[in-house]
Amino acid sequence: KNEVEQSPQNLTAQEGEFITINCSYSVGISALHWLQQHPGGGIVSLFMLSSGKKKHGRLIATINIQEKHSSLHITASHPRDSAVYICAVHTGANSKLTFGKGITLSVRP
Amino acid sequence: NAGVMQNPRHLVRRRGQEARLRCSPMKGHSHVYWYRQLPEEGLKFMVYLQKENIIDESGMPKERFSAEFPKEGPSILRIQQVVRGDSAAYFCASSSGADTQYFGPGTRLTVL
Repeated sequence: KNEVEQSPQNLTAQEGEFITINCSYSVGISALHWLQQHPGGGIVSLFMLSSGKKKHGRLIATINIQEKHSSLHITASHPRDSAVYICAVHTGANSKLTFGKGITLSVRP
Repeated sequence: NAGVMQNPRHLVRRRGQEARLRCSPMKGHSHVYWYRQLPEEGLKFMVYLQKENIIDESGMPKERFSAEFPKEGPSILRIQQVVRGDSAAYFCASSSGADTQYFGPGTRLTVL
């Protein structure tokens, strides 16, 4: 069993829909990242959080430390949001990241 | 304010050759991480370095792979005697400490 699990595995949505991507982890963490990767492209860090909730534009990230669960929400989705969304956690003392396999999101116009 | 730079962006090597991948961290960052993304797989940690020191290399294969981050210049990930299984995207990230890591664009290595 992976230390970081993401669901659903693939997600297709219609433009304008509210989207939720989930991440569960089984280890103790100091912080959690949400990352975005476009096809053939680099990786962008969207959020780093250790408690509560963060918001940036149409993106909202929440984390529940007790339940070891985080969600990434996209409001008013747009085709340009189509990408792979990766959850990653800081474990141990050395800040290395452990990654989920990522969710492939496709937003149709 | 340049971000994390990696070069080359694409690298083609024949089996048995050496591959050198370079990473220049963001200005002011002294922590560098290397990650590998194999085709159809998730990202995996390889090595974590601070200036002139390897802090954690638990994710790096014991043979053929080495990494350095000298006092001056970029961090280098070196793969000797490459094999087809080394074909992957190699990402570097940097940070100023235990905070957000900023990723470079990656180097896509193809071994023929």
